[in-house]
Amino acid sequence: AQSVTQLDSQVPVFEEAPVELRCNYSSSVSVYLFWYVQYPNQGLQLLLKYLSGSTLVKGINGFEAEFNKSQTSFHLRKPSVHISDTAEYFCAVSAATGTASKLTFGTGTRLQVTL
Amino acid sequence: GAVVSQHPSWVICKSGTSVKIECRSLDFQATTMFWYRQFPKQSLMLMATSNEGSKATYEQGVEKDKFLINHASLTLSTLTVTSAHPEDSSFYICSARGGPGLEQFFGPGTRLTVL
Repeated sequence: AQSVTQLDSQVPVFEEAPVELRCNYSSSVSVYLFWYVQYPNQGLQLLLKYLSGSTLVKGINGFEAEFNKSQTSFHLRKPSVHISDTAEYFCAVSAATGTASKLTFGTGTRLQVTL
Repeated sequence: GAVVSQHPSWVICKSGTSVKIECRSLDFQATTMFWYRQFPKQSLMLMATSNEGSKATYEQGVEKDKFLINHASLTLSTLTVTSAHPEDSSFYICSARGGPGLEQFFGPGTRLTVL
């Protein structure tokens, strides 16, 4: 089984500042990793995913994440945030079985961007 | 892109009644659909996985007789909460996958309030 820990429940940041949202996972097998964003009263949208290959993954809206196997982490970063980035961000993991597997989500991090 | 809709977006019902939530894939055929439950300020918890034409697979601790899932077509899955009680109040989210690929496309969610 897999588990995901998002240590920060809330991250306040000023507009145009950089931000990092932390995600650590636990698994006894190889994993695929995902970051999703949820805007108020909306479903989840995929930001980016790591399946294999380069450990630095670039996603939509200027976000990127780096897979660190030794530290079992997959932190999400953005060099300059906008007000519109205010949302809930979820890290998720699935077993890398080669076929679609169920997702296990972290508890989420609320990114609050202010002027 | 792939769009998944849910209906209704919110519902209020009396204790003891049953509520049906629909999940539709609008522009692709969903061979697999997933149903999640999300409590306030908490993560998404997978309730069950359904493949078109077969019985749903429920996660441990989820009562299959209480949460009835039907996936009768490649574009529609339904979740029926039978004899709902206040503790069933939650945000229910579905997702759909259109093939062996890994990405799940999420619906906007349904807010259920049981009085």
